[in-house]
Amino acid sequence: NSKVIQTPRYLVKGQGQKAKMRCIPEKGHPVVFWYQQNKNNEFKFLINFQNQEVLQQIDMTEKRFSAECPSNSPCSLEIQSSEAGDSALYLCASSPSIGGYEQYFGPGTRLTVL
Amino acid sequence: GQGVEQPDNLMSVEGTFARVNCTYSTSGFNGLSWYQQREGHAPVFLSYVVLDGLKDSGHFSTFLSRSNGYSYLLLTELQIKDSASYLCAVRMPNYNVLYFGSGTKLTVEP
Repeated sequence: NSKVIQTPRYLVKGQGQKAKMRCIPEKGHPVVFWYQQNKNNEFKFLINFQNQEVLQQIDMTEKRFSAECPSNSPCSLEIQSSEAGDSALYLCASSPSIGGYEQYFGPGTRLTVL
Repeated sequence: GQGVEQPDNLMSVEGTFARVNCTYSTSGFNGLSWYQQREGHAPVFLSYVVLDGLKDSGHFSTFLSRSNGYSYLLLTELQIKDSASYLCAVRMPNYNVLYFGSGTKLTVEP
C-alpha cells in the first residue's frame, strides 16, 4: 500500500484565488511527480522533482503554477490564480529512483473552483 | 501529443476473464505500466512490461507488442471486487514521466 500523504483531500476556491496542496512522498523516495486527473479521467503530467530540483514541467505549470520540494518539508503545488478549468483531482506520486518504473500514488487533492 | 487509448467500459462475469486493451502512439517508449483505480482512490500499481510477449503474474497477466503499439491486461478468475478502472500508462524516456490512458471501467457481474 502506498504511503504517500496528500493534504487537503478536498479544496474549494473561487476563481482568481490561490490554491495550495501538499504532498509527503514515501520515506526514502527522492523523486516526486504531480499529475492532474480531470472529470473525464484524463491524466496530465504537470511537473516532477528529484530531491529539490525540477526535472521537467509543462508550459501551463511554468506559467500559472508554482511547485517546490524543499528538504525536510512537504512538497507543494500552488495555483496562483485558479480558473474553473483547474477543477480536478491532483495526484502526487513518488518513486524510489529516477530509473524506477513504479510510481506510488497518494489519494489526491480534489480541487473545485467555483 | 502523446496518444494512449483505452475503451471506456468493459463488462464480464464472475469466474470468467476480462481483457483490457490499450493502444499507444507516443514519441518515445520506456515501458508500459498498468494501474488499478477505484472510485475516489489513488491508482495502485499492478504490472510493468518493457519486452514483447506475455508476462504471467497469476490473477493479472500483461501482454505487449511494441511494433503494434498495443498492450492488454488479462484478469482471470474474476471476482466482483475486481470491478474498478484499469489504467495503462506509457513510460517516457525523459525522467520516466507516465502518459496515461483515460482508463477502462470494468464491471464484474455475478
